Amino acid sequence: GQQLNQSPQSMFIQEGEDVSMNCTSSSIFNTWLWYKQDPGEGPVLLIALYKAGELTSNGRLTAQFGITRKDSFLNISASIPSDVGIYFCAPNSGYALNFGKGTSLLVTP
Amino acid sequence: DTAVSQTPKYLVTQMGNDKSIKCEQNLGHDTMYWYKQDSKKFLKIMFSYNNKELIINETVPNRFSPKSPDKAHLNLHINSLELGDSAVYFCASSQGPFQETQYFGPGTRLLVL
Repeated sequence: GQQLNQSPQSMFIQEGEDVSMNCTSSSIFNTWLWYKQDPGEGPVLLIALYKAGELTSNGRLTAQFGITRKDSFLNISASIPSDVGIYFCAPNSGYALNFGKGTSLLVTP
Repeated sequence: DTAVSQTPKYLVTQMGNDKSIKCEQNLGHDTMYWYKQDSKKFLKIMFSYNNKELIINETVPNRFSPKSPDKAHLNLHINSLELGDSAVYFCASSQGPFQETQYFGPGTRLLVL
């Protein structure tokens, strides 16, 4: 079966710092998504990527769909305390979303 | 207005009991899902219904039975609850099947004692 690796598992940073996380897979995907889960809530879609090589921004968030279609990264610039949460990559196999194990982000003021 | 709602938010019960979790979406979507999130925050799909028809049924014990009375509702019934069923269960919906933009409910925290 396909393997999905998301790293880092957790990050503890200071407000204002930039953050980078990524996902790699053994399989090729046509769509790559990034979700954020706030504490005690359900995941919310942040960014959707549809083409290999695509670079998309949403405010302070930037994500790229790897050229091999097997990986993606998410960057957050100038982090703020409300960025706290778990970030999931979720490539779409066309059958279902496959969630990574998540990156827990803690931001201290 | 809540797009995807679940009840109850918390559910504490004894091993062996039967319980149900309800989900409703007011987005007019055709497809609904149930996900399980374990203690390590790993999210895994369990079931998906499109227009009240089951389209995804992952390897889930048959003690779990989804029911979709109409497009806007997908309920999850669990028989003979076990300790390992303790988790957060999320309902989600999307416009159509396998659509990437899925909207999640707030989750139901199930604790089996």
